[in-house]
Amino acid sequence: AQRVTQPEKLLSVFKGAPVELKCNYSYSGSPELFWYVQYSRQRLQLLLRHISRESIKGFTADLNKGETSFHLKKPFAQEEDSAMYYCALSGYNNNDMRFGAGTRLTVKP
Amino acid sequence: DGGITQSPKYLFRKEGQNVTLSCEQNLNHDAMYWYRQDPGQGLRLIYYSQIVNDFQKGDIAEGYSVSREKKESFPLTVTSAQKNPTAFYLCASSPLTASGANVLTFGAGSRLTVL
Repeated sequence: AQRVTQPEKLLSVFKGAPVELKCNYSYSGSPELFWYVQYSRQRLQLLLRHISRESIKGFTADLNKGETSFHLKKPFAQEEDSAMYYCALSGYNNNDMRFGAGTRLTVKP
Repeated sequence: DGGITQSPKYLFRKEGQNVTLSCEQNLNHDAMYWYRQDPGQGLRLIYYSQIVNDFQKGDIAEGYSVSREKKESFPLTVTSAQKNPTAFYLCASSPLTASGANVLTFGAGSRLTVL
């Protein structure tokens, strides 16, 4: 069974500080991993996915199969990064997407 | 204007009543999903469907039912058997890919309150 764990419910950093949102997963097959973000009064939307290996809004995430992790990082947090972040997992050739409990990031001025 | 439309936005129900939440998409996506969002628990998968007339249970399907008679529509019925139905419900859709790395597009959600 797929499982996604986000150990931090709340995370608060100052503007300009580095930020790391943790995500660990368990899955017996080959995982497909995503980060979704929900800004205040907006719909949940994709931030990035590991298959694309891209940086979006300064955020990056590397899939570490040895540690079964997909942590989200940004070197210099901005106030507009304040949002709810969800890590999500689906299996290769498997279309059911599972989400973690989410981390609320607050970036203070 | 392409996207996913959920209705109603707010719904109140008395205990013992069934209620149906609507989800319509015009993105030509094959897959559709229903999630329940509760504070501190994230999104939990209720049901999903990859093709018309077929759907699979997610992690918390008990007390819920769905149908997929048309590609565009995936209504969710919250039955009286659902013990704790007050929640925020999110519908999503995605194209199907061979790899499973499907990007979900979400609706704005429906908030159900049982009185």
